Amino acid sequence: DAMVIQNPRYQVTQFGKPVTLSCSQTLNHNVMYWYQQKSSQAPKLLFHYYDKDFNNEADTPDNFQSRRPNTSFCFLDIRSPGLGDAAMYLCATRDRGGTEAFFGQGTRLTVV
Amino acid sequence: QQQVKQSPQSLIVQKGGISIINCAYENTAFDYFPWYQQFPGKGPALLIAIRPDVSEKKEGRFTISFNKSAKQFSLHIMDSQPGDSATYFCAASSRGRGSTLGRLYFGRGTQLTVWP
Repeated sequence: DAMVIQNPRYQVTQFGKPVTLSCSQTLNHNVMYWYQQKSSQAPKLLFHYYDKDFNNEADTPDNFQSRRPNTSFCFLDIRSPGLGDAAMYLCATRDRGGTEAFFGQGTRLTVV
Repeated sequence: QQQVKQSPQSLIVQKGGISIINCAYENTAFDYFPWYQQFPGKGPALLIAIRPDVSEKKEGRFTISFNKSAKQFSLHIMDSQPGDSATYFCAASSRGRGSTLGRLYFGRGTQLTVWP
């Protein structure tokens, strides 16, 4: 059974049109991460939540925002997608005292 | 600055052969070293992980060798199979404080192809 679920699996958006990606988890983990992964590259951390404590990576563009309304759900908002934002976006969770990160299947974003 | 360096970038191995992927790190605060396997269009999945208090960990055909003094660790896949063809990422994390605890630093990945 899927434990970290990302929707949609594939998203096509127009250049400059806001888009929201979602992530839900059934693990009740208090840490959630958003990664951006471009083709043939390692996942790049955009931001993470430790409970409701939001942590932004220094090089995450302002164009990217995130919301976590409750433990189970987390959203990634891209306010004005550019062609360079086309990538796979991965959500991951981790338990407070644990080390293993559990990844979702990812959302493949295409910007046209 | 790349916290974890991984090589090779790509690897082609004959079925039944041994696949070896190497990683190196600088931050001595790292104390957890996982390997993730990623198939095309899927998210990474934890394959095997090691802590620096042991030099080797084996799970089935997969073995991590860890050299603390050299700050290097490697993944060995014995009897490689076509189904092992995927991208492999090494990573490292540390027992940081608060929200930095467990933050993963990934290597650039190795694309493994196993020919039948």
